[in-house]
Amino acid sequence: DAGVIQSPRHEVTEMGQEVTLRCKPISGHDYLFWYRQTMMRGLELLIYFNNNVPIDDSGMPEDRFSAKMPNASFSTLKIQPSEPRDSAVYFCASSPDRGLRETQYFGPGTRLLVL
Amino acid sequence: DAKTTQPNSMESNEEEPVHLPCNHSTISGTDYIHWYRQLPSQGPEYVIHGLTSNVNNRMASLAIAEDRKSSTLILHRATLRDAAVYYCIDMDSSYKLIFGSGTRLLVRP
Repeated sequence: DAGVIQSPRHEVTEMGQEVTLRCKPISGHDYLFWYRQTMMRGLELLIYFNNNVPIDDSGMPEDRFSAKMPNASFSTLKIQPSEPRDSAVYFCASSPDRGLRETQYFGPGTRLLVL
Repeated sequence: DAKTTQPNSMESNEEEPVHLPCNHSTISGTDYIHWYRQLPSQGPEYVIHGLTSNVNNRMASLAIAEDRKSSTLILHRATLRDAAVYYCIDMDSSYKLIFGSGTRLLVRP
């Protein structure tokens, strides 16, 4: 398997623009997670899905952020409108199941810079 | 907020063992201890996990104290490729990975 795939790998945009980050989880994994990593706050869980349904979005910072999972092989994280403080590395991860012993598999991340 | 505490950084010489400590002051009886690491410019990757007994895999060993208030990740022979930030995490019934600031491991050639 190719692992978790994220695109784009790098994104530079201007404040106010819409940004869409994409993720393809590992085939057969029922759980998908979106994380954000900044120097100030470290790695934070934003939202996670189970079988394409959002389960916990308590980490989503503001209404400007939204995430969808239209099918088992694709998810998007959208920021509209983007702001400079959204600059971060965004990681997608997937897991075959939910459990105390389950492993999450992370993608390479999307490095976002909002000017 | 993360429930574990780790030293900010550690250094090791190449091909020597490394012991990375973690304190789990609020761990409950059913929480699993997970370790992940993040290599430069990459996403985190799973290293090892355990509950009560010591665990070994091809990457590392995990030693868990009897009271489970501390654990130690052991890299038996550090290589330059092991230079990374190492995170210990208490996995509870929320099944969430809550990352702290981790330990940055520097490996000297």
